[in-house]
Amino acid sequence: ILNVEQSPQSLHVQEGDSTNFTCSFPSSNFYALHWYRWETAKSPEALFVMTLNGDEKKKGRISATLNTKEGYSYLYIKGSQPEDSATYLCAPLGGKLIFGQGTELSVKP
Amino acid sequence: NAGVTQTPKFQVLKTGQSMTLQCAQDMNHEYMSWYRQDPGMGLRLIHYSVGAGITDQGEVPNGYNVSRSTTEDFPLRLLSAAPSQTSVYFCASSRSGTGDPHEQYFGPGTRLTVT
Repeated sequence: ILNVEQSPQSLHVQEGDSTNFTCSFPSSNFYALHWYRWETAKSPEALFVMTLNGDEKKKGRISATLNTKEGYSYLYIKGSQPEDSATYLCAPLGGKLIFGQGTELSVKP
Repeated sequence: NAGVTQTPKFQVLKTGQSMTLQCAQDMNHEYMSWYRQDPGMGLRLIHYSVGAGITDQGEVPNGYNVSRSTTEDFPLRLLSAAPSQTSVYFCASSRSGTGDPHEQYFGPGTRLTVT
């Protein structure tokens, strides 16, 4: 079973701040890295699926990078808005999809 | 498309009772999985299936059974409910299984309380 670690566990920022979180995972038996956004009382929704070392993906103000050799991925949010408040989950796919505990982001107006 | 549907939305059980949580998807997805959400634990994988007739265990399979007789349905059975199984359960599906990186689509969740 993959050991996935996300940091920090929680983050409180002001509107307009830029922020980033980390997802660390074992680099062996790697197929893909998923990022999901999970708002309270809703279901997780996919943000990115990345497969190649050096991959960079972007969706609006949110972007992610992937380093499969050292086993980490960064998620960046530029100019955070209150609607970005959510838990951000990463999940490396190595046979099955195992999620990290998530980073809970709170953006204050 | 309805996507991934789960029933019931809420359920209260007494210790020792059994029940089945239903999950269905209409996207012809091969890969389906069950997760439970617990405070501070994120999503933990219970069981998953890479196609009809094939199931496998996840991180926390004890106390749960699954079967996959059709592509569309993936029910989760609680054999003898325990208070430790109080949780929110999410079903998810994606286009393909092992090694294929397609994004997962999640159902709305079932909130289960065991007293």
